[in-house]
Amino acid sequence: ILNVEQSPQSLHVQEGDSTNFTCSFPSSNFYALHWYRWETAKSPEALFVMTLNGDEKKKGRISATLNTKEGYSYLYIKGSQPEDSATYLCAPLGSSNTGKLIFGQGTTLQVKP
Amino acid sequence: ETGVTQSPTHLIKTRGQQVTLRCSSQSGHNTVSWYQQALGQGPQFIFQYYREEENGRGNFPPRFSGLQFPNYSSELNVNALELDDSALYLCASSPDPGPIGGKNIQYFGAGTRLSVL
Repeated sequence: ILNVEQSPQSLHVQEGDSTNFTCSFPSSNFYALHWYRWETAKSPEALFVMTLNGDEKKKGRISATLNTKEGYSYLYIKGSQPEDSATYLCAPLGSSNTGKLIFGQGTTLQVKP
Repeated sequence: ETGVTQSPTHLIKTRGQQVTLRCSSQSGHNTVSWYQQALGQGPQFIFQYYREEENGRGNFPPRFSGLQFPNYSSELNVNALELDDSALYLCASSPDPGPIGGKNIQYFGAGTRLSVL
C-alpha cells in the first residue's frame, strides 16, 4: 500500500501569483504518477501522467516535475487565474498496482481575483 | 466533458438498506474503476473491472460488489449500508489495463453523492 502525502492541504493566492505544491510518495516500486485537477461539481480531469525520473511535463501555465529516486513530484502554476481554483490530486502507482490509483488527499487552491 | 456519466447524482438511504450506483463508461473503454471519496480525503480505490471480471480490489469489505456489462455500463452495489458509507462515489473508465495500464489516463464521472441516515 502506497503512502501518499500532498502539501499544503490548502492554498489561497492572488490572481497573478505563481504557486507550487508537492506530492510525496514511497520511492520503491514506482511505476507512474498521475496528476488530476478537480473543480467543484465537476469530474476530476487528468493533467499529466509521468513515468520517468526527471520527467517534466507542461500544459499551458501548469507544469510538473518528477523525482522517483527521492519520491516526490512538484506541480507549478505560473500566473494563477481564478479558473485555476480547484483541488489538485496526485496518484502514484507502484509496479504491482497497474491502473489502480492511490490518491493523496489533495491540495485545494483558491485564486482570488 | 469526459464522456463518463453516473446516476443518480444524489441518493439518500437508511442504514441496513442496499444501494446500486450506475456508471456509463466512454465507448471503447473496457476498464472501469470505482472510488469512494469521504469528506476531507482523496478518492479511495474500491475495485476495478476489466471485460466484466474483477481486476483488483482495494481495502473494502465484500458487501461492496460490482458488475460490468458489455455495453460499457457498470454498477456498484453496496449491501447492509452503514453510516460510514456516506461519501461521493466516482467511477472512471480507461482503455485496457495490462503492462502499460498504469500509464492510461482515467476518465472520471462527476460522481454520486450517497448519504446514509
